[in-house]
Amino acid sequence: NAGVTQTPKFQVLKTGQSMTLQCAQDMNHEYMSWYRQDPGMGLRLIHYSVGAGITDQGEVPNGYNVSRSTTEDFPLRLLSAAPSQTSVYFCASSRTGTGGSWYGYTFGSGTRLTVV
Amino acid sequence: TQLLEQSPQFLSIQEGENLTVYCNSSSVFSSLQWYRQEPGEGPVLLVTVVTGGEVKKLKRLTFQFGDARKDSSLHITAAQPGDTGLYLCAGGGTSGSRLTFGEGTQLTVNP
Repeated sequence: NAGVTQTPKFQVLKTGQSMTLQCAQDMNHEYMSWYRQDPGMGLRLIHYSVGAGITDQGEVPNGYNVSRSTTEDFPLRLLSAAPSQTSVYFCASSRTGTGGSWYGYTFGSGTRLTVV
Repeated sequence: TQLLEQSPQFLSIQEGENLTVYCNSSSVFSSLQWYRQEPGEGPVLLVTVVTGGEVKKLKRLTFQFGDARKDSSLHITAAQPGDTGLYLCAGGGTSGSRLTFGEGTQLTVNP
């Protein structure tokens, strides 16, 4: 299994440009999330989804949009890039098991975004 | 917003030493996880603890969830250079849809 695949791995944008960070998982996980990681701030939740067609905002959603039309894909759209969005972005997926137990997140390898 | 504080932020030790990393919050979490992250990669799940007072062992790593489910610790015995990495704790609810991460502890084990 490929797990969680993120593309691109690196991206440089100019202020005001838009782009989509792609995320795909092949594990049939119902939960998917987007995090950003900045030095000294850990990982902060941007948006998450509990299933196809269902999304919700996380801690830092401003400037980002998401949609989940299929179980496998969860793209993150930057509407108008700003230097404050320079960060490493991680997509993650997870599932519940029997009896409501939870298996924890599988993370992609990240997209390193620089906005100049 | 639920906050998780990790300490220490940085830890540099010699091979063979023992260490403990702490993760504390004023909030109660239904579950708490520990991840390890290497440079250029995403975090990798080490363990999930869900019961207050729970202790889990993974080879030389021992994880404990506080009785009140507000804190956790990670103890490494006889650290090895391969243990070097960023250790992150993360707290969440039973569904796992939202996780709150601590800032991480950067561990360096010198040979």
